[in-house]
Amino acid sequence: SQTIHQWPATLVQPVGSPLSLECTVEGTSNPNLYWYRQAAGRGLQLLFYSVGIGQISSEVPQNLSASRPQDRQFILSSKKLLLSDSGFYLCAWTSDSGNTIYFGEGSWLTVV
Amino acid sequence: GQQLNQSPQSMFIQEGEDVSMNCTSSSIFNTWLWYKQDPGEGPVLLIALYKAGELTSNGRLTAQFGITRKDSFLNISASIPSDVGIYFCAGRGAQKLVFGQGTRLTINP
Repeated sequence: SQTIHQWPATLVQPVGSPLSLECTVEGTSNPNLYWYRQAAGRGLQLLFYSVGIGQISSEVPQNLSASRPQDRQFILSSKKLLLSDSGFYLCAWTSDSGNTIYFGEGSWLTVV
Repeated sequence: GQQLNQSPQSMFIQEGEDVSMNCTSSSIFNTWLWYKQDPGEGPVLLIALYKAGELTSNGRLTAQFGITRKDSFLNISASIPSDVGIYFCAGRGAQKLVFGQGTRLTINP
């Protein structure tokens, strides 16, 4: 069966520090991968999606970047964090058909 | 772009009551999905709907894909404390998957 795992689960980082959140999917090949951000108690905002290795699409201009170095690995990064980057980050995947999306456990980022 | 209007935004009910929430759109969707998110965790898929008019149940949960393909509802019967959380609808049309803003369900014992 397919599984998705992201880490770290919780992160407290000072303003101006770098960020790296990692996500991996197992049990499938050529998944479409996504990074979402969720402000406290609110809806999901799509940040990035990828349909293949090295292919990244950005949905909103921001202080973050994404990379896909391997088929089942998706990384969310920042060179210098801002206070506004705080939030709950979710990695997700869909198959090629994209009919159903599955989420990771989420990563809480607090920028102080 | 495609947008979803999910309502209500929040619900406060007594344990044992039935719950109903819905999502509507001005666009046609080919897939409707319903998720539940517990605090501090990722959303978990509850029900997936792929055909207009489809009515699907998962235990005490029932969801329907509206015949116009522009809406969907989720019902929860005989609510219990573990039903607390945020429920999201998601629709997929010609473009990417679109999420509703969520319905926060609170249950008073």
